[in-house]
Amino acid sequence: QQQVKQSPQSLIVQKGGISIINCAYENTAFDYFPWYQQFPGKGPALLIAIRPDVSEKKEGRFTISFNKSAKQFSLHIMDSQPGDSATYFCAAGDGGFKTIFGAGTRLFVKA
Amino acid sequence: EAQVTQNPRYLITVTGKKLTVTCSQNMNHEYMSWYRQDPGLGLRQIYYSMNVEVTDKGDVPEGYKVSRKEKRNFPLILESPSPNQTSLYFCASSPTLGQWRAFFGQGTRLTVV
Repeated sequence: QQQVKQSPQSLIVQKGGISIINCAYENTAFDYFPWYQQFPGKGPALLIAIRPDVSEKKEGRFTISFNKSAKQFSLHIMDSQPGDSATYFCAAGDGGFKTIFGAGTRLFVKA
Repeated sequence: EAQVTQNPRYLITVTGKKLTVTCSQNMNHEYMSWYRQDPGLGLRQIYYSMNVEVTDKGDVPEGYKVSRKEKRNFPLILESPSPNQTSLYFCASSPTLGQWRAFFGQGTRLTVV
């Protein structure tokens, strides 16, 4: 089965710090890489996404870095806030009907 | 308000008793899918539908059925639930072929005893 490997499983960051979550994929046919944010009791919500022809995408405090040759991508949350505490999922899709999700990272931002 | 609505939110049932989890979206999306979320495994796709009367298996379809008779509805059916189907289930819809732009429901926590 195609896989997307996500690390770390959990992350504790001080308020104002940088949170970094990493993902690696295997299938070079993947052509879009979204990140989802999930709060307890809620469904995942799209946070930010990138295509492999771009090495970096920034939206506010959230940045995706993409390394096509290494088949890796990461989410950086700058100036992390307690309200960012959630579970984050990376994902990869091939432009068709399948999106493969990573196992998730539980982020806790200490006030 | 644009949303994906699942019912019920919580369900406890016994092994072998057929159940249906409903999913409805009000965004006129063509693409809908079902996922299950388990600790350490992330979200795994069960079934998806490209449009009315068009469905296909995802990565973990065993023990599940779906139907898409109307564009807005995509129910998930467990004909004979088993304890290994205890999980958190999410329905999602998307306006495009690329499912990365998905809108998720709030989830259904199912326990099979």
